Amino acid sequence: AQSVTQLGSHVSVSEGALVLLRCNYSSSVPPYLFWYVQYPNQGLQLLLKYTSAATLVKGINGFEAEFKKSETSFHLTKPSAHMSDAAEYFCAVNSGGGADGLTFGKGTHLIIQP
Amino acid sequence: KAGVTQTPRYLIKTRGQQVTLSCSPISGHRSVSWYQQTPGQGLQFLFEYFSETQRNKGNFPGRFSGRQFSNSRSEMNVSTLELGDSALYLCASRTDVSNYGYTFGSGTRLTVV
Repeated sequence: AQSVTQLGSHVSVSEGALVLLRCNYSSSVPPYLFWYVQYPNQGLQLLLKYTSAATLVKGINGFEAEFKKSETSFHLTKPSAHMSDAAEYFCAVNSGGGADGLTFGKGTHLIIQP
Repeated sequence: KAGVTQTPRYLIKTRGQQVTLSCSPISGHRSVSWYQQTPGQGLQFLFEYFSETQRNKGNFPGRFSGRQFSNSRSEMNVSTLELGDSALYLCASRTDVSNYGYTFGSGTRLTVV
């Protein structure tokens, strides 16, 4: 079985500050991990994915995430927040084979304060 | 390259009716999966199709069904609609089942009244 926990349903940061969105996963096998962003009334856009290559993954729009097996974590960071980063962020896991699809966390709403 | 196209974007149906949603994957993508997004339950996996075969299904009642055509386009159907079926239905495509590059469409917003 696979599961994802995102800590904090809402995270507020000032423009220019560090963004840190937390994600912990549970998987019985080495997982594939993803971060998606969703803007209002839109679908999901892939920010980055971990597929067992480098543990530090760089994505679009300046985001990156580090896979830490010992902590079963895949936290998303961005050094400097921009107003356009305000959105809903979802962490997802797939334990391989893909037959069970992606399992998503509940999401974190990122608020950027001017 | 066109993205994943879902039609219609918005739909309003009455309880007890049935509805069919359509998803056209990215050209060359042979796998299509469907997800339901609601404020209460979040994003939940419905099913995935590859080469016209359903690979797996999430924990949803039999009222939810789908199919995939030879051109990889997919439809999902919900029969006997309930108020709780109101949701954003998202479709995702990928090249094949060994590739984890899922691309999502913009979704169909279904409202059941």
